[in-house]
Amino acid sequence: DVKVTQSSRYLVKRTGEKVFLECVQDMDHENMFWYRQDPGLGLRLIYFSYDVKMKEKGDIPEGYSVSREKKERFSLILESASTNQTSMYLCASSLWRSHDYEQYFGPGTRLTVT
Amino acid sequence: TQLLEQSPQFLSIQEGENLTVYCNSSSVFSSLQWYRQEPGEGPVLLVTVVTGGEVKKLKRLTFQFGDARKDSSLHITAAQPGDTGLYLCAGITSGTYKYIFGTGTRLKVLA
Repeated sequence: DVKVTQSSRYLVKRTGEKVFLECVQDMDHENMFWYRQDPGLGLRLIYFSYDVKMKEKGDIPEGYSVSREKKERFSLILESASTNQTSMYLCASSLWRSHDYEQYFGPGTRLTVT
Repeated sequence: TQLLEQSPQFLSIQEGENLTVYCNSSSVFSSLQWYRQEPGEGPVLLVTVVTGGEVKKLKRLTFQFGDARKDSSLHITAAQPGDTGLYLCAGITSGTYKYIFGTGTRLKVLA
């Protein structure tokens, strides 16, 4: 079974702190994604990576950066956390096949910024 | 920005009832997926549809992709409490890596 793990299920940070969210997948997938999930807004893409050291901005990259030094690991960084970044963060990975690729999601990290 | 609108946003029904969830967009998608998310977990893929007009069945769940590939529906027959969860549609356009997720439908089936 594909497994995507996230470093924390719950995280509480103070405004201005630097926050690292880690994601690891064990299926040698090329693509990895970071989303945030907010009620009534669905999942919004923050960043995705299609190869080691390659990244592209999603729909809401402001205030975030990412790092992918190894194929299995994709990190999301909040340089200076703010209260409006309180959210559920979901990591996903996938293979790429034309028209048909399944995203495998981790369990999520619920981040609260106070 | 592409948008996928889902309706209804919330649905609370009794066990045994039927229901339909809709996913609509003004954009054309090369494929569309439906996911279910349970509390405390990430979304899990239910089905992928790729051809306009395509119908797929998964036990009591029937998925349809619109002829113009702009919309989709999920029909559940004889809903059970185990169907409770957040249902998300997600569409992808040709030549991109990105899925656009819908706003979600939160379903609660009461025993």
